[in-house]
Amino acid sequence: DSGVTQTPKHLITATGQRVTLRCSPRSGDLSVYWYQQSLDQGLQFLIQYYNGEERAKGNILERFSAQQFPDLHSELNLSSLELGDSALYFCASSPNYLSTDTQYFGPGTRLTVL
Amino acid sequence: AQKITQTQPGMFVQEKEAVTLDCTYDTSDQSYGLFWYKQPSSGEMIFLIYQGSYDEQNATEGRYSLNFQKARKSANLVISASQLGDSAMYFCAMRGVNRDDKIIFGKGTRLHILP
Repeated sequence: DSGVTQTPKHLITATGQRVTLRCSPRSGDLSVYWYQQSLDQGLQFLIQYYNGEERAKGNILERFSAQQFPDLHSELNLSSLELGDSALYFCASSPNYLSTDTQYFGPGTRLTVL
Repeated sequence: AQKITQTQPGMFVQEKEAVTLDCTYDTSDQSYGLFWYKQPSSGEMIFLIYQGSYDEQNATEGRYSLNFQKARKSANLVISASQLGDSAMYFCAMRGVNRDDKIIFGKGTRLHILP
C-alpha cells in the first residue's frame, strides 16, 4: 500500500458525460501528479500540482482539468468524454517537486467510456 | 528531448534465475533521476528503486539492483533470484531537474517467471 488513495476504483460512463476522479496523497506529500495509461499511448503525464498550485503540465486535453485543494487532495475532471478517453488514470504523490523525489502511485481509476 | 527506451517487450525467465531488464535513456541534463516501477496484473504501480545521476554507487533495494552506466546512458534493473510474484510489467522512468521536466516512462517490459 503506497498510502495514496484514489476513488472510485472503476467508472463506467457514456460519451459526452463528465466525471470527477479523486486522489488523496500520502500524508505529508505536497505534490500530486495525474497520469493516463492507455494501451496505445502508454503512461502519459497529465498535470502536476504542488501545494495547491499548478506546477507542470503535460499532455492534458483542454476537456480535462484538475485542481488541488487546501487539504492537498486533488480532483481530475474529465468532460465531453470520448471513447478514446477510456484508460487507467493514476494519481501519484511526492514530498516536494524535486527530480529526486520518488512518486508513489495510487491504485488507479479505471475509466470506461461506452 | 528526453527519452526512455526499453527494448525488450517481453521476457521469459526460469524461477530463481537472475534477470536483467534493459533501459537506456537520452537527456542533455547533467542532473536527473532514474526510477523503476513494477505493474502487476492488478494494475497498481509499485516503486522499486531510484538512482540519481550523481550517485557514485549503484542503487540496491533487497533483490533489486540498478546497473547504472552513465557514459552509456543505461540504467538496467537486475532482479536476483526471481520469484513467481515478479511476473509483471516493469517500467523505467526518468525525470530532469527543470521546473517543466516531467517524469517520462518507457513502454515497459513484460516479465514472465516460469515455475
